[in-house]
Amino acid sequence: AQSVTQLGSHVSVSEGALVLLRCNYSSSVPPYLFWYVQYPNQGLQLLLKYTTGATLVKGINGFEAEFKKSETSFHLTKPSAHMSDAAEYFCAVTRPSGNTPLVFGKGTRLSVIA
Amino acid sequence: EAQVTQNPRYLITVTGKKLTVTCSQNMNHEYMSWYRQDPGLGLRQIYYSMNVEVTDKGDVPEGYKVSRKEKRNFPLILESPSPNQTSLYFCASSPTRRGDYGYTFGSGTRLTVV
Repeated sequence: AQSVTQLGSHVSVSEGALVLLRCNYSSSVPPYLFWYVQYPNQGLQLLLKYTTGATLVKGINGFEAEFKKSETSFHLTKPSAHMSDAAEYFCAVTRPSGNTPLVFGKGTRLSVIA
Repeated sequence: EAQVTQNPRYLITVTGKKLTVTCSQNMNHEYMSWYRQDPGLGLRQIYYSMNVEVTDKGDVPEGYKVSRKEKRNFPLILESPSPNQTSLYFCASSPTRRGDYGYTFGSGTRLTVV
């Protein structure tokens, strides 16, 4: 069975500082990995995804994530936080084949301090 | 615009009064799903549907019903709501269950049962 662990339910950074949100996965096969963002009073939106190919993937709003198989990680980063980045972020994992569902982590709330 | 539409956005009801939350998608997606989101628990899947007339239980199906009579619609029914069903509900759709193309989420329904 696949699972996702997001380290830290709440992360707080200063505006302009590096954003680092951690995600570790468990999967018996090479996974597909995703980050979703949920802004206040909205549904989840796809931020970026890794399926195959380049392990460093770029998403919307300057975010990127790197798939590291040896560390079973898919951490989300952004060089400089903006106030508008304040949201909840969810990491998710699925298998490349078959009918298993997308499995979500419990989420990390990002606060940005002026 | 490709979207998942949920209604209502907010609902306050009394214990035992049947209610339906509607969900409609305009992307011809095969897969649809309902989640509830609670603080500290992340997203938990209630029910899902692989296609018309095909539905199955997720992780927390007790107290809920669904139907999929048409491809675009997937209503969530609470026959006898109880206070422990107070939550934020999301409908999602995707071309596939495994979500390799990403899930598209509705804007959410905040339900309060008193």
